[in-house]
Amino acid sequence: DSGVTQTPKHLITATGQRVTLRCSPRSGDLSVYWYQQSLDQGLQFLIQYYNGEERAKGNILERFSAQQFPDLHSELNLSSLELGDSALYFCASSVGGGPGTGELFFGEGSRLTVL
Amino acid sequence: AQKVTQAQTEISVVEKEDVTLDCVYETRDTTYYLFWYKQPPSGELVFLIRRNSFDEQNEISGRYSWNFQKSTSSFNFTITASQVVDSAVYFCALRESSYKLIFGSGTRLLVRP
Repeated sequence: DSGVTQTPKHLITATGQRVTLRCSPRSGDLSVYWYQQSLDQGLQFLIQYYNGEERAKGNILERFSAQQFPDLHSELNLSSLELGDSALYFCASSVGGGPGTGELFFGEGSRLTVL
Repeated sequence: AQKVTQAQTEISVVEKEDVTLDCVYETRDTTYYLFWYKQPPSGELVFLIRRNSFDEQNEISGRYSWNFQKSTSSFNFTITASQVVDSAVYFCALRESSYKLIFGSGTRLLVRP
């Protein structure tokens, strides 16, 4: 158990819909990261937050948005869903926010299926 | 730009064989960090090791060992006396000054009894 909690574990929805994925980082961790894992794209970095502020951005679509709240939990919002958005979405956390901050601890992922 | 290449898509070995998973990286930074993660069939990503660019010492942890060579930009991972429980997808990852942790495409290891 990494200490990172993601909900829901599984989600099935239809194209055009909007979903919210939630992540609670490990106790004491200030950084939260979101990754998308699909069969054809592998593990793609989406976005990082550190203590409530956006720190780094990856290949995140404009239809997707994220935020980190004062209690440090984070939400990833996916809207106007397409079939290609079906993937496993991972949240990870780390103590610091810089490059030398150490390893990321990953949650078990939220599996999104868009029909 | 940073890049991680894991050329071995899938490796199949018989239990007790040694196996090496290759990782080659590209970066312009002089300070960077390399990682290995394991993703078992259950799906979670499990941290195995982190290595700083200024520390080229090889590391051994039980049946696992890592060979970091800056001269060839490689960070290879060896499992000695493999076991069925080692079956998983293994990811190499690189983090430089941009904060992003970039993963390779992964190597699927199948250990057969």
